Amino acid sequence: AQSVAQPEDQVNVAEGNPLTVKCTYSVSGNPYLFWYVQYPNRGLQFLLKYITGDNLVKGSYGFEAEFNKSQTSFHLKKPSALVSDSALYFCAVTGNTGKLIFGQGTTLQVKP
Amino acid sequence: DAGVIQSPRHEVTEMGQEVTLRCKPISGHDYLFWYRQTMMRGLELLIYFNNNVPIDDSGMPEDRFSAKMPNASFSTLKIQPSEPRDSAVYFCASSLFFLVDRPYEQYFGPGTRLTVT
Repeated sequence: AQSVAQPEDQVNVAEGNPLTVKCTYSVSGNPYLFWYVQYPNRGLQFLLKYITGDNLVKGSYGFEAEFNKSQTSFHLKKPSALVSDSALYFCAVTGNTGKLIFGQGTTLQVKP
Repeated sequence: DAGVIQSPRHEVTEMGQEVTLRCKPISGHDYLFWYRQTMMRGLELLIYFNNNVPIDDSGMPEDRFSAKMPNASFSTLKIQPSEPRDSAVYFCASSLFFLVDRPYEQYFGPGTRLTVT
């Protein structure tokens, strides 16, 4: 069965510092991995995805994610956090069914 | 493109009443998904359609829930009768066709916040 784990309910970081939001996954076959962001009272917005190829994927708003097959991880990163990055972040995985399985979400709080 | 459109944005109803949520996917998208988001259970997939045909409704919680997609540009999620525990934010999302080795990202609507009293 497919599953996604986001081990941190909340991540706090100071503005200008690098940030990491963690995600691990379990899927049979090739994993297709996604990150989404949700701002208050809004729907989820797509940030980036990993399908194949380069393990470092670049996405919207300066975010990137590193795929690590041996650790079954897909951590979201940004070199320098902004206060406006504060939001709820979801990692998701799909195998070969078309269904996305979402993690529980991690709240990112960036303080000035 | 206007993105995925959902209506109403907010719905407050009394227990036992019928509730209908509406969704217009992005034009040209072949897949449509209905999700429910609550603090307790997070984001749950309820049902999804491909080319207007329901593919997987295993996430629909009970027979009180039903979903239809009469054409490529419209879908409804109906709850009848509604109960307080149905209170949640319901999202609709759409995506392009899915290939085994090329999954496309989903685009979400703004959601409908349902409150059942």
